Amino acid sequence: DAGITQSPRHKVTETGTPVTLRCHQTENHRYMYWYRQDPGHGLRLIHYSYGVKDTDKGEVSDGYSVSRSKTEDFLLTLESATSSQTSVYFCAIRDGQGYTEAFFGQGTRLTVV
Amino acid sequence: QKEVEQNSGPLSVPEGAIASLNCTYSDRGSQSFFWYRQYSGKSPELIMFIYSNGDKEDGRFTAQLNKASQYVSLLIRDSQPSDSATYLCAVNEAAGNKLTFGGGTRVLVKP
Repeated sequence: DAGITQSPRHKVTETGTPVTLRCHQTENHRYMYWYRQDPGHGLRLIHYSYGVKDTDKGEVSDGYSVSRSKTEDFLLTLESATSSQTSVYFCAIRDGQGYTEAFFGQGTRLTVV
Repeated sequence: QKEVEQNSGPLSVPEGAIASLNCTYSDRGSQSFFWYRQYSGKSPELIMFIYSNGDKEDGRFTAQLNKASQYVSLLIRDSQPSDSATYLCAVNEAAGNKLTFGGGTRVLVKP
C-alpha cells in the first residue's frame, strides 16, 4: 500500500469552528489532492498541490484553504465549518502527472453539527 | 467546467455475465483515463488506465477508449459477487494535472 495517512479519521465539529485535516505521505510524490465525496457526486476536487507551496483550486474550493510547507504534508482547512461541508474527505497522491496512478488515503469522515 | 459523466446505476448483472460501464467526458484534449473501484466505506483503488484509442485488457477487465466520441468504457467479464462495488471513471485534463472523477456507477452482481 502507498504510504499515505489521513488524520483524523473521524471528526464531529460545530458550525462556525475551524477544522484542519492532515494528509501525510512517505512516498515523496510531487502531487497531492484533496477530494470530497458525497452521495451521487463521486469525488469532487477541492484543491491540489504540485509542489511545496504550490497549490491550485479545484471545482469546489469555496470555504476551504490548503497549505503545503513540506513535501510530505498537505493540510486542508475549513475556515468556518458549515453543515454543507459534512462529507467524506479523501487525500490522494501522485508521482507524476498525466499517465500516472493516484493513490488514496483511508478517508476522513467529517460531520458538522 | 470540465465534466465526466457516468450512469449512477445500480447496474444489476447475474453472476458470470458481462457488466458494461460507460463514461463520457467533455474535455476533448484529455489524454489519460482511469477506472477505479470503490467498495462501500473504502478508498478508491485503481483497476486500470488507458490512453490510446482502442481496447486494453487486463484479466477479466477490458477498457475501451474512443477519443473522437469522447467516451471510455469498462467491461467486466465473468462477473463475480466480489465485483459488486462502485466504479469511478477519472479523466486527466489536457492541461496540467487535475484528475476529474465522474459520479460513479454502482454495480450489483447477483449469484
